[in-house]
Amino acid sequence: GQQLNQSPQSMFIQEGEDVSMNCTSSSIFNTWLWYKQEPGEGPVLLIALYKAGELTSNGRLTAQFGITRKDSFLNISASIPSDVGIYFCAGLDRSGGSNYKLTFGKGTLLTVNP
Amino acid sequence: DAGVTQSPTHLIKTRGQQVTLRCSPKSGHDTVSWYQQALGQGPQFIFQYYEEEERQRGNFPDRFSGHQFPNYSSELNVNALLLGDSALYLCASSSITSGRTNTQYFGPGTRLTVL
Repeated sequence: GQQLNQSPQSMFIQEGEDVSMNCTSSSIFNTWLWYKQEPGEGPVLLIALYKAGELTSNGRLTAQFGITRKDSFLNISASIPSDVGIYFCAGLDRSGGSNYKLTFGKGTLLTVNP
Repeated sequence: DAGVTQSPTHLIKTRGQQVTLRCSPKSGHDTVSWYQQALGQGPQFIFQYYEEEERQRGNFPDRFSGHQFPNYSSELNVNALLLGDSALYLCASSSITSGRTNTQYFGPGTRLTVL
């Protein structure tokens, strides 16, 4: 089955630093999504990517859909304490036409030291 | 614009019991997916409902069943609960008509504890 490798597993940074995390897949995806989850809550959609090579920003967040369609990265610039949480990548392969499930990475735990 | 809502927030059951979790999709959405999230893991796909039918199922036993109603809301039922069913159950909604069925928005989840 499809597997997503998300790295790093955790990051501890100082406020104001930039952050980068990425996901790689064992198979080709045609959609990449990035979510943030805080304790006791559901994942919140940050950025959605639909085309290989696509680069999309949402405020201080920037994500890219890798040209090989097997990877994606998320950057956070000038981190602030409220960026703390677990960041998940999720991908979907619709090449077969009948797959609707998102496959998730294991998450990157981000801690920001004020 | 209401987002995805789920009820109850928390639930405690004992082994062997049955449980029903409920979800109302985001306004304008017609598709509901259910996920199980164990502690420290990413969500795992259980199944997806569209037009009141199960469209795809993940690797979960038949003890997990669901239903979608004409108003697009959905229920997840789990029978014969096991200790390993303790998890956060997430509902996600999306829209076929928007052309972005892959873009799923999650609710806050139901925390199920099985004792």
